[in-house]
Amino acid sequence: EAGVVQSPRYKIIEKKQPVAFWCNPISGHNTLYWYRQNLGQGPELLIRYENEEAVDDSQLPKDRFSAERLKGVDSTLKIQPAELGDSAVYLCASSLDRRTNEQYFGPGTRLTVT
Amino acid sequence: SQQGEEDPQALSIQEGENATMNCSYKTSINNLQWYRQNSGRGLVHLILIRSNEREKHSGRLRVTLDTSKKSSSLLITASRAADTASYFCATDASNQGGKLIFGQGTELSVKP
Repeated sequence: EAGVVQSPRYKIIEKKQPVAFWCNPISGHNTLYWYRQNLGQGPELLIRYENEEAVDDSQLPKDRFSAERLKGVDSTLKIQPAELGDSAVYLCASSLDRRTNEQYFGPGTRLTVT
Repeated sequence: SQQGEEDPQALSIQEGENATMNCSYKTSINNLQWYRQNSGRGLVHLILIRSNEREKHSGRLRVTLDTSKKSSSLLITASRAADTASYFCATDASNQGGKLIFGQGTELSVKP
């Protein structure tokens, strides 16, 4: 079984530039999550999808961040424009079992904003 | 904001020794999960303990949960160099609609 796939693995951009991250969850996993992980910290949830519906986006900075999950499978997270403070690892996760909420994580995208 | 607080922040031991990490949280939970993260990688689910369970084992891992103290511990027995990683607790809080809230992690270093 393939795991959660993310691309790119690394991205370096200048501030004020746009950037997009892509995630392909495990097949059959209806719930998809985007997290941001700062250095030395645990992941913090940005947005959670149930199929194509964003059911929790309370932590997503909506002035510059956007996300979509067309057809309830792949998802894209976008930042426009990026700021220096956005430098972090962006993790995508998916889960199958809504009772336990056990999550499977992708390798993440390390974003550096200069 | 993060609910879990982990202790210690960093732990260095010799191969063969046991490693114990602790996690405290603030609100009532459905379950508590432990994850491992190797450097530059995503998180890997290790073990889940439900709020009505007190102890759980999986291989060399032992997890305890004390809901009265709102705390959990992860014990890794007979540690190996390959156990070197960061370990995170995550709570599935009762009032968070299925959201996992992660602690800041414990960085474990196992020296051969």
